[in-house]
Amino acid sequence: GNSVTQMEGPVTLSEEAFLTINCTYTATGYPSLFWYVQYPGEGLQLLLKATKADDKGSNKGFEATYRKETTSFHLEKGSVQVSDSAVYFCALNNNNDMRFGAGTRLTVKP
Amino acid sequence: EAEVAQSPRYKITEKSQAVAFWCDPISGHATLYWYRQILGQGPELLVQFQDESVVDDSQLPKDRFSAERLKGVDSTLKIQPAELGDSAMYLCASSPKDREKETQYFGPGTRLLVL
Repeated sequence: GNSVTQMEGPVTLSEEAFLTINCTYTATGYPSLFWYVQYPGEGLQLLLKATKADDKGSNKGFEATYRKETTSFHLEKGSVQVSDSAVYFCALNNNNDMRFGAGTRLTVKP
Repeated sequence: EAEVAQSPRYKITEKSQAVAFWCDPISGHATLYWYRQILGQGPELLVQFQDESVVDDSQLPKDRFSAERLKGVDSTLKIQPAELGDSAMYLCASSPKDREKETQYFGPGTRLLVL
């Protein structure tokens, strides 16, 4: 079946540090891959997506590359800000079956 | 930018009471989803509509939960009677009709607390 496994948190970083949140998936075929972000008390906002192997999604300084050979879609940002503090969810959509990881809470300290 | 609307944002109820949540998807989006998100976890699908038809309700606890989308636009999710374990965030999402791997756009959610 389809599933997503992402790095457990919480992750605490200092401002301007480098961020990596690991995400791996299991799926048959070729799913679309997503990163969503959830701020306290709010719904999920699409951060970036990739729809085929080797695609790189990017937005607001975040990026992730669809790696079919390692079934991964790791999220990276070169320099985090306090405003990036949130919960990040990796997700896949395979034939209209949407699956989410458990989420990784990121806290960025000044 | 068009958004998914949900109301209420917060709901506190006592167990055994009935509660209802409303969702208005992005205009033109034929597919609507209701998810439940338990604190500290990712969302899990409860029910999916294509226009006014249910296409997947396999994870919906049908003894107490019901959902409808009568005119294929907005939708209501109801719980009757509510139980303590129903305390969670209820998220609505929508996506365009035709593509199986399309992005889902989420509303702000309704946070339910059952006492």
